[in-house]
Amino acid sequence: EADIYQTPRYLVIGTGKKITLECSQTMGHDKMYWYQQDPGMELHLIHYSYGVNSTEKGDLSSESTVSRIRTEHFPLTLESARPSHTSQYLCASSDTSGGNTGELFFGEGSRLTVL
Amino acid sequence: AQSVTQPDIHITVSEGASLELRCNYSYGATPYLFWYVQSPGQGLQLLLKYFSGDTLVQGIKGFEAEFKRSQSSFNLRKPSVHWSDAAEYFCAVALLDDYKLSFGAGTTVTVRA
Repeated sequence: EADIYQTPRYLVIGTGKKITLECSQTMGHDKMYWYQQDPGMELHLIHYSYGVNSTEKGDLSSESTVSRIRTEHFPLTLESARPSHTSQYLCASSDTSGGNTGELFFGEGSRLTVL
Repeated sequence: AQSVTQPDIHITVSEGASLELRCNYSYGATPYLFWYVQSPGQGLQLLLKYFSGDTLVQGIKGFEAEFKRSQSSFNLRKPSVHWSDAAEYFCAVALLDDYKLSFGAGTTVTVRA
């Protein structure tokens, strides 16, 4: 059973505010990911991390930043939110050590609305 | 360019009827293949996956999928749909040793009584 948690689930905030979306997993997975999801669109990878102190940008350009100081924690930050950042953000993790297959386990998502 | 295509945006099916969701991919090599399901307000849950071996894969909730290399397809099927199967379904692919999944745009399934 996967245990990956995202907070907040829902956030409505004004333009220009700084926000941090939290993501934590208790499975000790080495790899973590942030996807952005808009209605009717495919999920777009915006950030990923293959371990502590390792972060990379994904296929979709994003103004957000991430950090990976601890294995279990992968927060996403927007320094100055804009209406164009309104979206659902999904965090995921996977364990590819020991020959595991690398399937992704997802959190329930954080739905961000910027007014 | 590499891509994942789900041709059907929305499918409506009667409860008890069969369901097939299409997925096609365009990659240079055979990728790892996945189907995920997302219920409203929830994250994605893995239904099944294919890496190698038997091309007919069984998953959870009575779903199965068949990999056809010649057609670059990985279609999802269920013989008899239940009302609880109403959700959005995503096909995803990943290349060997590259564990970043690429997703299709999803197919929304509506189940009518």
